[in-house]
Amino acid sequence: SQTIHQWPATLVQPVGSPLSLECTVEGTSNPNLYWYRQAAGRGLQLLFYSVGIGQISSEVPQNLSASRPQDRQFILSSKKLLLSDSGFYLCAWSVQGLEQYFGPGTRLTVT
Amino acid sequence: GNSVTQMEGPVTLSEEAFLTINCTYTATGYPSLFWYVQYPGEGLQLLLKATKADDKGSNKGFEATYRKETTSFHLEKGSVQVSDSAVYFCARDSSYKLIFGSGTRLLVRP
Repeated sequence: SQTIHQWPATLVQPVGSPLSLECTVEGTSNPNLYWYRQAAGRGLQLLFYSVGIGQISSEVPQNLSASRPQDRQFILSSKKLLLSDSGFYLCAWSVQGLEQYFGPGTRLTVT
Repeated sequence: GNSVTQMEGPVTLSEEAFLTINCTYTATGYPSLFWYVQYPGEGLQLLLKATKADDKGSNKGFEATYRKETTSFHLEKGSVQVSDSAVYFCARDSSYKLIFGSGTRLLVRP
């Protein structure tokens, strides 16, 4: 069966510090991968998606970036965090662009 | 463009009450439709789906029917439990992505 992991589960970082969030999927090959952000009490904002290694589509211009160094690994990064980057970050995967399956999320607080 | 509209929350019900959460989508093509549930502090879980008109998705007592004529996919449950308290998201697919509604918070009181 397929599983998706995200780490860390929680993170507190100062403004201006770098960020690296990791997502890995097991039990499937060549998945589509997605990064979402959810602000407190709000809906989902799609940040990036990837349909293959090295292929990244950005949905929202911002100070975040994404990379996919391996088939089942998706990384969200920032060189300098802003206060507005605080939120709940969710990774998801799908096959053939159908239903998506979400990871447990990373709670990021920028102080 | 493609969009999904859900009823505003929060929805507050007593245990064993009937639940309806409305969802409508823009009729671009024939999308697959989904309901997701998010419990506090967790990721989203797929609750049910429907891939073509008149399909009924069901899971854990929840149901939703794909209505092409009204472009709707309303979520229903006959008797809610306290454990159903969560945020519910309606979604449609669109070119490798999902378009989500803004979410509806459900609070079930004992």
